[in-house]
Amino acid sequence: EPEVTQTPSHQVTQMGQEVILRCVPISNHLYFYWYRQILGQKVEFLVSFYNNEISEKSEIFDDQFSVERPDGSNFTLKIRSTKLEDSAMYFCASSVQGWDEQFFGPGTRLTVL
Amino acid sequence: AQTVTQSQPEMSVQEAETVTLSCTYDTSESDYYLFWYKQPPSRQMILVIRQEAYKQQNATENRFSVNFQKAAKSFSLKISDSQLGDAAMYFCAYRPVESFGNEKLTFGTGTRLTIIP
Repeated sequence: EPEVTQTPSHQVTQMGQEVILRCVPISNHLYFYWYRQILGQKVEFLVSFYNNEISEKSEIFDDQFSVERPDGSNFTLKIRSTKLEDSAMYFCASSVQGWDEQFFGPGTRLTVL
Repeated sequence: AQTVTQSQPEMSVQEAETVTLSCTYDTSESDYYLFWYKQPPSRQMILVIRQEAYKQQNATENRFSVNFQKAAKSFSLKISDSQLGDAAMYFCAYRPVESFGNEKLTFGTGTRLTIIP
């Protein structure tokens, strides 16, 4: 069964460094999402992406964040200058259409030191 | 803004027994979707069950069923014949009926379910 995959599973970085989190959505899916979960807190929406543009973003998704679909398979989340408070689990998800079930990846744990 | 509340941070149940996880939500929309997601220790979230607000009939998926009370804005999950593999964090989530730019899921804080052998 097709799955959403994410790499790396764990990323450790120094404050102020740039990180890129990678996701491979399910191949026939058209909508892509990033969510994050700070340890012990709820899962929060960051951004949705369709047809090579952002369709919705939360207030968390400020100028330090960007998303890109550089090729036909990858979907990336870039944080330009990481802060301590960016430490969280980042989940990628995808769906065939906007109203369909969102399938989640296993997550990338980002630790900012 | 929509909010989702799960008032039970932790629950436990004996294997083979039944347990109910609570969820309430707040919205001004009349049509929307509600979901229960399961997040096992491996941390990949899996959809357990989905309810469409315009449907009066409660959704059922094998041992999982919901009690959807639209007027009370309540959406509880019942797990029957609990199994060890049901141990996980369970998240209740809300999403409006689709319109472009409004596909995000709003999650509750989760309920950690422990199954006692």
